Amino acid sequence: SYVLTQPPSVSVAPGRTARIPCGGANIQRTTVQWYQQKPGLAPVLLIYYDSDRASKIPDRFSGSNSGNTATLTISRVEAGDEADYYCQVWDRSSDHEVFGGGTKLTVL
Amino acid sequence: QVQLQESGPGLVKPSETLSLTCSVSGVSINSFYWSWIRQAPGKGLQWIGYDSGGIKYNSALNSRVTIFADSSMNQFSLRLTSVTAADTAVYFCARARRRDGYTFFDMWGQGALVTVSA
Repeated sequence: SYVLTQPPSVSVAPGRTARIPCGGANIQRTTVQWYQQKPGLAPVLLIYYDSDRASKIPDRFSGSNSGNTATLTISRVEAGDEADYYCQVWDRSSDHEVFGGGTKLTVL
Repeated sequence: QVQLQESGPGLVKPSETLSLTCSVSGVSINSFYWSWIRQAPGKGLQWIGYDSGGIKYNSALNSRVTIFADSSMNQFSLRLTSVTAADTAVYFCARARRRDGYTFFDMWGQGALVTVSA
């Protein structure tokens, strides 16, 4: 089955740029979605189809997808961005939806 | 405003059946696709299945899971049989948007914690 690999944690200082990678075999051949989840809450869709921002998501959040890695980029990081972030794809071969293991973003 | 709300027992005994319902308001369930996703305590997200014009399930759960809709009540439901402690999780219902097979989940319920324990 298709595997998405995310680093368990990423740390960034306020005001800087955070980049959260999501690795998968030839991931560029599918589309990648990104979700933000804060403790005790449901996930919130941030990015769909690699780089389209969901409704009401600030333009500080952006996505890209190339080769074997998709990346969520958060510019001008704020304390409120501290959360878990998950990538998700549809695996055509298994016809399954697959989530990455999640990355905890810590704002220093 | 579209809202999703999960409901069902919070405690299920091992070997019994887990049943949850997602009540949808603000839109007809006939207009979109709907999914169940779960999250074990401290773990990541796991797709369970969806009704996307045809029912599809995660093969890891395939023989135990059923998803069905009740249009008259604007609800869709999850049944998971023969549960074990490994099925303890927060269960989310979510709206699935699909284009050319590619899916994203743009609306989520708040989640329902189901604990499997005797």
